[in-house]
Amino acid sequence: GQQLNQSPQSMFIQEGEDVSMNCTSSSIFNTWLWYKQDPGEGPVLLIALYKAGELTSNGRLTAQFGITRKDSFLNISASIPSDVGIYFCAGHVQGGSEKLVFGKGTKLTVNP
Amino acid sequence: DTAVSQTPKYLVTQMGNDKSIKCEQNLGHDTMYWYKQDSKKFLKIMFSYNNKELIINETVPNRFSPKSPDKAHLNLHINSLELGDSAVYFCASSQEPGYNSPLHFGNGTRLTVT
Repeated sequence: GQQLNQSPQSMFIQEGEDVSMNCTSSSIFNTWLWYKQDPGEGPVLLIALYKAGELTSNGRLTAQFGITRKDSFLNISASIPSDVGIYFCAGHVQGGSEKLVFGKGTKLTVNP
Repeated sequence: DTAVSQTPKYLVTQMGNDKSIKCEQNLGHDTMYWYKQDSKKFLKIMFSYNNKELIINETVPNRFSPKSPDKAHLNLHINSLELGDSAVYFCASSQEPGYNSPLHFGNGTRLTVT
């Protein structure tokens, strides 16, 4: 269905390491978005993807819209302590309503 | 200037009470939303308004009633609060409905029902 399967659920890494997380679904998506949520704040948009195969970077972050349109990944290179937070994938399902559906989040902890 | 602002940030109240949360956006967007984030951090849409008209209404109890006096404001009124209503409620806005317009979120209202 429209559920997004986001993995991993949590990650514990050392500062300087690279991070990768992904989202998959059995549905086809028109967009994939990646958000980051810091404690006590709302999700903030990191990267928006609109075309299958699209690869977009935002500083140390890189995300791709899967060719099948059923998946997306987010990579963070050379992690730093301020990367700590919860990362959410989100997307609009093709043929669905206009609502944005969210994955369950990846909680990232970076040890200095 | 805060783009999407909601008040209050914290709300503690007893079961059975009625409470409201207010949201304002100064981005000039046409579409506004209410999302609920549960204790496991799962974000689920509740309502969406486009230019003051309701366009998305998920399976939310009738105790929840959104109101949009103009396209820059979307308030949420909750009647007869229950323990299960405890969550963080996020307001969001986008330029227009649909997949070409990413959502911009407020900082949330943490509702605790005792």
